[in-house]
Amino acid sequence: GAVVSQHPSWVICKSGTSVKIECRSLDFQATTMFWYRQFPKQSLMLMATSNEGSKATYEQGVEKDKFLINHASLTLSTLTVTSAHPEDSSFYICSARGGTSNQPQHFGDGTRLSIL
Amino acid sequence: AQTVTQSQPEMSVQEAETVTLSCTYDTSESDYYLFWYKQPPSRQMILVIRQEAYKQQNATENRFSVNFQKAAKSFSLKISDSQLGDAAMYFCAYRSANAGGTSYGKLTFGQGTILTVHP
Repeated sequence: GAVVSQHPSWVICKSGTSVKIECRSLDFQATTMFWYRQFPKQSLMLMATSNEGSKATYEQGVEKDKFLINHASLTLSTLTVTSAHPEDSSFYICSARGGTSNQPQHFGDGTRLSIL
Repeated sequence: AQTVTQSQPEMSVQEAETVTLSCTYDTSESDYYLFWYKQPPSRQMILVIRQEAYKQQNATENRFSVNFQKAAKSFSLKISDSQLGDAAMYFCAYRSANAGGTSYGKLTFGQGTILTVHP
């Protein structure tokens, strides 16, 4: 089956630093990638949708300058949390979809981000 | 905008028994997809079952089956012969099939139901 690799799986960093999370589709071309945020025992909240070669579309309430998304190739999207603060600590999950929209989304294993 | 509601924050079941998780949704669209995802403690999202709205027949995958009631906008998941490995958080999700809509391709998740399986 389709595989999506997300890296790192866990990162701890100091407040004020920037953190980059990578999402790679290993065996298919991901025309669209999605980034979600999840707090403990809560649902996944969509942050943004990115299409290869285009600017990401952010959901209402998500700060574009805080969460930078780049989808430069058909196999890689990155989420950069800029000037991270403790309130940015969360679980971030990416998913990728290839081809037409009736293709299923394949999820990465998520990244646990802890800001000290 | 579409919404998905899971009214059971937590459910429990005895091993080998059957449990049903509820999900309702709200949409004005006629063509869409519905999903159940499982998220175990590892937090990996695992697709359990998928239903196309245009199909009247309920989807089944081994021990997992759904009761899809389009008119009532209800999509419940039945887990038969529950196993310890079924313990997880379960999410119901909606995805539009309308190519012209702003929500095209996006998944909208319910709040989730934590399922505990007792040995």
